[in-house]
Amino acid sequence: QKEVEQNSGPLSVPEGAIASLNCTYSDRVSQSFFWYRQYSGKSPELIMSIYSNGDKEDGRFTAQLNKASQYVSLLIRDSQPSDSATYLCAVNVGGSEKLVFGKGTKLTVNP
Amino acid sequence: GAGVSQSPRYKVAKRGQDVALRCDPISGHVSLFWYQQALGQGPEFLTYFQNEAQLDKSGLPSDRFFAERPEGSVSTLKIQRTQQEDSAVYLCASSFRHNQPQHFGDGTRLSIL
Repeated sequence: QKEVEQNSGPLSVPEGAIASLNCTYSDRVSQSFFWYRQYSGKSPELIMSIYSNGDKEDGRFTAQLNKASQYVSLLIRDSQPSDSATYLCAVNVGGSEKLVFGKGTKLTVNP
Repeated sequence: GAGVSQSPRYKVAKRGQDVALRCDPISGHVSLFWYQQALGQGPEFLTYFQNEAQLDKSGLPSDRFFAERPEGSVSTLKIQRTQQEDSAVYLCASSFRHNQPQHFGDGTRLSIL
C-alpha cells in the first residue's frame, strides 16, 4: 500500500457543482495534512492545511480530516472553470517534516 | 518578490555533465526542502534542511546527488554525471518552522539529452 493514495481521476464536474476529492494515508502517526493545487506546468500552490479531526472551511474550500479512518478530503463548492487543475494531497509521515504526496487527482470543471 | 525563488527555470544538459540548481527560500524560513517531480506524478522528497543542517537526505536517489545550504539561506542541489533518468522538475519549498505549510518555488525543469 502506498503511503498516500488519491482517486486517480480524472474528475469532471459541471460549473457550480461540488467537487469532492479524497485521500487516504497509511501512517497513523501523521499529524499534518495539506491540499495543494497544481496548474499544468506550474508549481504546487497551498490551498488548505488541516491538523485536527473535523472540518476546516476557507471560502469555497472545505477540508475534512478523520484520523481514525486515516482519511482526508477536500470539497470545492460552487466549482468554477478556474478550479480546473490537479489537486495533490500531502501528509507529514513518520513524524518528520518531509511531505509525502499522492499522485494527484485531475479536476476539470466544465462551463 | 516574497516567494521562493529558483534558478534556472529551465536547464538542458548533456548526459554526463554536472548541473547545479539554486533555491532562495522565503526570508526567515528555517526549513528548506527539495523535491523531484516526474510527469504525471506527485512531488517526491529528496532532502531537507533546518537552517544549515541537512537533517534528512533519505530521498536522494544516488551519491551523484548532493545538496547544501552553507549559511542557512540559499541552497544548491548539485547533480553530478547526469543521466537521462534525472530529467524531471526539481522543486524547492520552504516553511517558517516545524510542520508549518511548505511553500513551493516555480521549479527547475531539467532535461538531460
